[in-house]
Amino acid sequence: NAGVTQTPKFHILKIGQSMTLQCTQDMNHNYMYWYRQDPGMGLKLIYYSVGAGITDKGEVPNGYNVSRSTTEDFPLRLELAAPSQTSVYFCASSLIGQGGHSPLHFGNGTRLTVT
Amino acid sequence: AQKVTQAQTEISVVEKEDVTLDCVYETRDTTYYLFWYKQPPSGELVFLIRRNSFDEQNEISGRYSWNFQKSTSSFNFTITASQVVDSAVYFCALSGYPYNFNKFYFGSGTKLNVKP
Repeated sequence: NAGVTQTPKFHILKIGQSMTLQCTQDMNHNYMYWYRQDPGMGLKLIYYSVGAGITDKGEVPNGYNVSRSTTEDFPLRLELAAPSQTSVYFCASSLIGQGGHSPLHFGNGTRLTVT
Repeated sequence: AQKVTQAQTEISVVEKEDVTLDCVYETRDTTYYLFWYKQPPSGELVFLIRRNSFDEQNEISGRYSWNFQKSTSSFNFTITASQVVDSAVYFCALSGYPYNFNKFYFGSGTKLNVKP
């Protein structure tokens, strides 16, 4: 099993450009999340999804969009990139149900620089 | 309110010392889950342990041990005989039912430096 796979690993974006960070998981997890981690800081939730077709905002959604057309994929779109979006982005998934919470399984992250 | 506090921003120890990382939580959920993650300098986030609120048994895994105390709302992590490879940022996280079942709340992390 690959777990949670994120692409790309690194990217440099110019101010005002747009791009999509890809995330896919092969564990059949129902919940998926996008976090950002600024240098030396903790994790902030951007968006999350409870299943295909359902997404919701986290703490810091401005400047981002998501979609969840399948259980496996949860791409994060940056529109009109700004320097404040320079960060490391982590995608994660979890299986949540009557049996409880599985731990969050994280991808290896995408290091994004906006200049 | 749902909150995780890791008051220790950074800790430095010499190899072979024992070290305890503190985690204090606040929750109104009746059933909740606590987690510890390790983030080594390479950047990935590695799951270490999950603890359910109804199971207060302490856990030991090799040099790692976890002390869960509901009375003080704490879930502390101890590394015995620390090694340089333990150098990382450690995050404590919380989720639960019925109010916060779809979110994980993270502490700000504790950076552990283990010097040879």
